[in-house]
Amino acid sequence: AQSVTQLDSHVSVSEGTPVLLRCNYSSSYSPSLFWYVQHPNKGLQLLLKYTSAATLVKGINGFEAEFKKSETSFHLTKPSAHMSDAAEYFCVVSPWGGAAGNKLTFGGGTRVLVKP
Amino acid sequence: NAGVTQTPKFRVLKTGQSMTLLCAQDMNHEYMYWYRQDPGMGLRLIHYSVGEGTTAKGEVPDGYNVSRLKKQNFLLGLESAAPSQTSVYFCASSDGTSGSYNEQFFGPGTRLTVL
Repeated sequence: AQSVTQLDSHVSVSEGTPVLLRCNYSSSYSPSLFWYVQHPNKGLQLLLKYTSAATLVKGINGFEAEFKKSETSFHLTKPSAHMSDAAEYFCVVSPWGGAAGNKLTFGGGTRVLVKP
Repeated sequence: NAGVTQTPKFRVLKTGQSMTLLCAQDMNHEYMYWYRQDPGMGLRLIHYSVGEGTTAKGEVPDGYNVSRLKKQNFLLGLESAAPSQTSVYFCASSDGTSGSYNEQFFGPGTRLTVL
């Protein structure tokens, strides 16, 4: 079984300040972990993925996430928020290696508001 | 290369009507999925398929049926629509090979309203 908890449903930041989106997971398997972004009325776009290589993962648009097995966390950060970062972000877990039909389990989402 | 496409983009139904949502992918992916998205709940898996001719139930399958007659297409059917099925529906596909990273590629979504 696997589950994902995104600790904040809403985050508000000022443009140019750091962004932190928190995610904790549980998984019976060695997991793959993902962050997806969804802009208003759009589909989901992959930001980055953890696949058991480096624990610090760099993604698109300046985002990065760190896998911490001891804390079962996969927090997403960005040093300086941009207005275009306003969106909803989903932390996602999947069993590694194609087990269980590659099924993804989504967190509830964190909506990010960026103030000018 | 269009990726994952969904038809239609929007639909309004009356309670009890039926409809079919079509998903198509041109990446030769083995696995395909249907999700629904509701506020505060992320995406929840309805049904999925690990290959042509196969389907399986996901987390919230009740009230939906699916078919995968061709590898590139995955159809989601609502036989008798209910207001609780008002949602945004996303289709996704993935490579599914052993050792893959399980990355799924998503379509743009279908917004369905049931009155």
